[in-house]
Amino acid sequence: EIVLTQSPGTLSLSPGERATLSCRASQSVSSTITSFAWYQQKPGQPPRLLIYGTSSRATGIPDRFSGSGSGTDFTLTISRLEPEDFAVYYCQQYGSSSTLTFGGGTKVEIK
Amino acid sequence: QVQLQESGPGLVKPSQTLSLTCIVSGGSIWSRGYYWSWLRQLPGKGLEYIGSIYHSGSPYYNPSLKSRVTISVDTSKNQFSLQLTSVTAADAAVYYCARPLRAAYRFDAFDIWGQGTMVAVSS
Repeated sequence: EIVLTQSPGTLSLSPGERATLSCRASQSVSSTITSFAWYQQKPGQPPRLLIYGTSSRATGIPDRFSGSGSGTDFTLTISRLEPEDFAVYYCQQYGSSSTLTFGGGTKVEIK
Repeated sequence: QVQLQESGPGLVKPSQTLSLTCIVSGGSIWSRGYYWSWLRQLPGKGLEYIGSIYHSGSPYYNPSLKSRVTISVDTSKNQFSLQLTSVTAADAAVYYCARPLRAAYRFDAFDIWGQGTMVAVSS
């Protein structure tokens, strides 16, 4: 099983600032390069898909959200934080042949 | 627009079987051949994939839960179901049903989720 480790656990920022969230995989799987996703989750709601295929934005996702990465290291960047962006973010890999896994989450909170 | 809604008991006794159903609306469970999936979120923790089922059957389970999980589909009712046997307190979670982004991909990102149903395990 590929274990995903997200950092930092909590990110304290102000609206308008740039947020950089990291996710590291325990092993590199060639298909993981394109089989990587990011989600946003707010309290009491299901996760919302932001990014799939490492860098493709899901339908309706604003362009301040961007994804990048390769090998074992992946990044979600929010260029300028809006008030509605304060939430928990999860990474996910779906390139493994045995199962898909999620990271433990990064909470982006208002500083 | 396809929507998913989980239903089932919110409380299950230890050692018993957890049974949940996901009702699919706004589209046919047969359409385009998706792997209809179950995931769960343990309290204060991340997400865990439980398994999925193709519209024609052929379930797939997370190896870590495989011995206790059964996922089935009822196309006549446009729904699919989850059974988890021998539950313990460690199985208390919010359970979600979800549909992957792409048809015919067993493992994929999920773009459609149910609202989730919280299941507690207690005697």
